[in-house]
Amino acid sequence: TQLLEQSPQFLSIQEGENLTVYCNSSSVFSSLQWYRQEPGEGPVLLVTVVTGGEVKKLKRLTFQFGDARKDSSLHITAAQPGDTGLYLCAGGGTGGFKTIFGAGTRLFVKA
Amino acid sequence: NAGVTQTPKFQVLKTGQSMTLQCAQDMNHEYMSWYRQDPGMGLRLIHYSVGAGITDQGEVPNGYNVSRSTTEDFPLRLLSAAPSQTSVYFCASSLSLAWVNTEAFFGQGTRLTVV
Repeated sequence: TQLLEQSPQFLSIQEGENLTVYCNSSSVFSSLQWYRQEPGEGPVLLVTVVTGGEVKKLKRLTFQFGDARKDSSLHITAAQPGDTGLYLCAGGGTGGFKTIFGAGTRLFVKA
Repeated sequence: NAGVTQTPKFQVLKTGQSMTLQCAQDMNHEYMSWYRQDPGMGLRLIHYSVGAGITDQGEVPNGYNVSRSTTEDFPLRLLSAAPSQTSVYFCASSLSLAWVNTEAFFGQGTRLTVV
């Protein structure tokens, strides 16, 4: 059974701080996505990474896919209150589309 | 720009009751799916469909039925509600089968409580 473990589960920081959240697995994924979910809403896609070692940047967010395609990280520079939310990683297995979701990292950025 | 529309947004059921959660998308997406989200457990796949007339089970299908008579609609039926089905339910759609390489669009969710 493929599992995605996210850490930390909860993070509370001050505005302006940097942070990194992690998504790890013992399985290889064909691709990995990061979503952000706000209270009362569905997840919204931030990025998809498909190549081992790939790095993508989205404004202050930097996403990296591990070389072995088993893990990923999300780094936020100079966090803002608008970054508050639940960050979910989702992995696509090889040969299938039954995507696996991690439990998420709940981020709270204080002004 | 409706995207994925779920109804109702909130629902309270008594144990043993049945109901249908509605999901509709207006993007002509082939792939649709239902997830449940529970605290600390992420999103778990219940059922999915790769096109009209084609459905399959996900990770946690017991107690739920689906059908896909049109491209647009993908209702989820709870046959006999149990307290363990208390959760937030999300419907999602994406353009292609390999949806992890394309954007998945989620509805706003249905918060279901079974008492």
